[in-house]
Amino acid sequence: EAGVVQSPRYKIIEKKQPVAFWCNPISGHNTLYWYLQNLGQGPELLIRYENEEAVDDSQLPKDRFSAERLKGVDSTLKIQPAELGDSAVYLCASSSDSDRGGRETQYFGPGTRLLVL
Amino acid sequence: QKEVEQDPGPLSVPEGAIVSLNCTYSNSAFQYFMWYRQYSRKGPELLMYTYSSGNKEDGRFTAQVDKSSKYISLFIRDSQPSDSATYLCAMRGFGNEKLTFGTGTRLTIIP
Repeated sequence: EAGVVQSPRYKIIEKKQPVAFWCNPISGHNTLYWYLQNLGQGPELLIRYENEEAVDDSQLPKDRFSAERLKGVDSTLKIQPAELGDSAVYLCASSSDSDRGGRETQYFGPGTRLLVL
Repeated sequence: QKEVEQDPGPLSVPEGAIVSLNCTYSNSAFQYFMWYRQYSRKGPELLMYTYSSGNKEDGRFTAQVDKSSKYISLFIRDSQPSDSATYLCAMRGFGNEKLTFGTGTRLTIIP
């Protein structure tokens, strides 16, 4: 079974430029999460989707961040414009209510490492 | 003060030793407790999941939850070099889907 796929793995951009990250969750997983992980810190939730609906985006900085999950499968997270402080790892995870362990078993992708210069 | 506190380490122990990793928390609403392992440049993977207080064992790993003290632990027996990673505790409340993670403890097992 393929895991959560993210691309790109690494991205270097200059500040004020836009950037987009893509995530393909595990097939059949209805819940998708985007997390931000700063160096030496644990992941922090940015947004959670149930199918195509964003049910928790309270931590998403909406002035510059946006996300979408069209058709309830793949998802894209965008930053426009990027700032120096956005340098971090952006993790995507997915889970399924029908899995043993339910939502506690969040499967994470490898992340996109963003560096803003 | 953070809701979840975890000593970032680094922690280095010899191969075969018993490792103890801990987290404390302040939110009494937390009911579900998890330990994730994260290798360098990889995403976290779930190791252990415990509901409420008590112990849970899986192979060389044992998770303990003491809700009265707001303290959780992960023990690794017969530690192996392949256990070298960052270990993250995570927790959430009943009916709240948001996971709150600790900062992670970086562990190195020395052969």
